[in-house]
Amino acid sequence: DIVMTQSPDSLAVSLGERATINCKSSQSVLYSSSNKNYLAWYQQKPGQPPKLLIYWASTRESGVPDRFSGSGSGTDFTLTISSLQAEDVAVYYCQQYYSSPTFGQGTRLEIK
Amino acid sequence: QVQLVQSGAEVKKPGASVKVSCKASGYTFTTYYVHWVRQAPGQGLEWMGIINPGGGSISYAQKLQGRVTMTTDTSTRTVYMELNSLRSEDTAVYYCARGSGPIPSKWYFFDSWGQGTLVTVSS
Repeated sequence: DIVMTQSPDSLAVSLGERATINCKSSQSVLYSSSNKNYLAWYQQKPGQPPKLLIYWASTRESGVPDRFSGSGSGTDFTLTISSLQAEDVAVYYCQQYYSSPTFGQGTRLEIK
Repeated sequence: QVQLVQSGAEVKKPGASVKVSCKASGYTFTTYYVHWVRQAPGQGLEWMGIINPGGGSISYAQKLQGRVTMTTDTSTRTVYMELNSLRSEDTAVYYCARGSGPIPSKWYFFDSWGQGTLVTVSS
């Protein structure tokens, strides 16, 4: 199985400031024939299922605010929230779907 | 709109079995794979397996092989996940989720999730 490792485990950021979450895979999730990275980001709030934010490493899901962006390729990926809002408090997960899906351990984002 | 509606919470004793349902609506049921994911209290997300709702392809996480069975009923647009020989560490919220790529594209991100079903295993 591909192991996904996120950093940090928790993060406190002031409102309006930038939040950055990293995700590293134990092997490349870039599919060479399509040149696509099989990497997604989800947001989960308490008592709710995960919500898809980003797929193909950098494509924003419809309806997701443009302050959320994804970047990276191969084994190293980043989720950035450009200007933190109160409603962004949540746990964020990266997921690879290059093979049988695996998730990072999650990053808890709080307001400083 | 795409909706996945799951059955209600369950309390089971160790050694028992549980069967959770996931009813799909808002799309062509047999066009997309359905996955099952679980989340123990305060923990992360664990993929359990994938099923082709139209029949055929099923894959389970190696850790659960032999204890989990996923089935489908196309007449009611429902997929089921049954877990046997329950132990305390199976206490979790169980989610179904739709793989966003059309069959036969097996590995895709999850674009819709059920609301979750809490399964509690306790003597």
